Amino acid sequence: AQSVTQPDIHITVSEGASLELRCNYSYGATPYLFWYVQSPGQGLQLLLKYFSGDTLVQGIKGFEAEFKRSQSSFNLRKPSVHWSDAAEYFCAVVRGTGGFKTIFGAGTRLFVKA
Amino acid sequence: DTEVTQTPKHLVMGMTNKKSLKCEQHMGHRAMYWYKQKAKKPPELMFVYSYEKLSINESVPSRFSPECPNSSLLNLHLHALQPEDSALYLCASSQDTGYSGNTIYFGEGSWLTVV
Repeated sequence: AQSVTQPDIHITVSEGASLELRCNYSYGATPYLFWYVQSPGQGLQLLLKYFSGDTLVQGIKGFEAEFKRSQSSFNLRKPSVHWSDAAEYFCAVVRGTGGFKTIFGAGTRLFVKA
Repeated sequence: DTEVTQTPKHLVMGMTNKKSLKCEQHMGHRAMYWYKQKAKKPPELMFVYSYEKLSINESVPSRFSPECPNSSLLNLHLHALQPEDSALYLCASSQDTGYSGNTIYFGEGSWLTVV
């Protein structure tokens, strides 16, 4: 069965520092992978997605993610974190056929310190 | 700004009340979804509508009753809820359900408290 693992429940980084949030997936075929962000009290906003092609994907708000098939990973990165990036981040996978079901990871809460 | 609009943003209801959550999208999407999200947890799929027909019910209790009056609207009717049903209810939409690469667009959610 498809699954998504986000190993870090929460991460704290200093403003201006770089960020990497980890995501590992379990899926036999080519996965469709997404990163969503959820600010407190808000819905989910799509940051970026990977379907195929270039394994380095650019998203909104300066985020990027790299798909590594050999490591079954899709880690999210940002070179310089801003205080407004503090939020919950969800990695998600959609199965390859009949793709109505998005499976979310447990989420990583990002704290940004001044 | 999200293009999926949910009302109300906050709802407090008693266990004997009947209320509804409403969702609207004008992106021409033909798939709409209800998710439930408890605090510090990821969203959990409840229902999927595809072309205005219910295609997935994730074993949701009958006290939750979805309705899709047209391709732009999705309702969730609530009756005889329990306090443990208190959560953030998220509506979402996508172009359709047949393509795995469809991006799901979420609304900002309706916070439901059952007292």
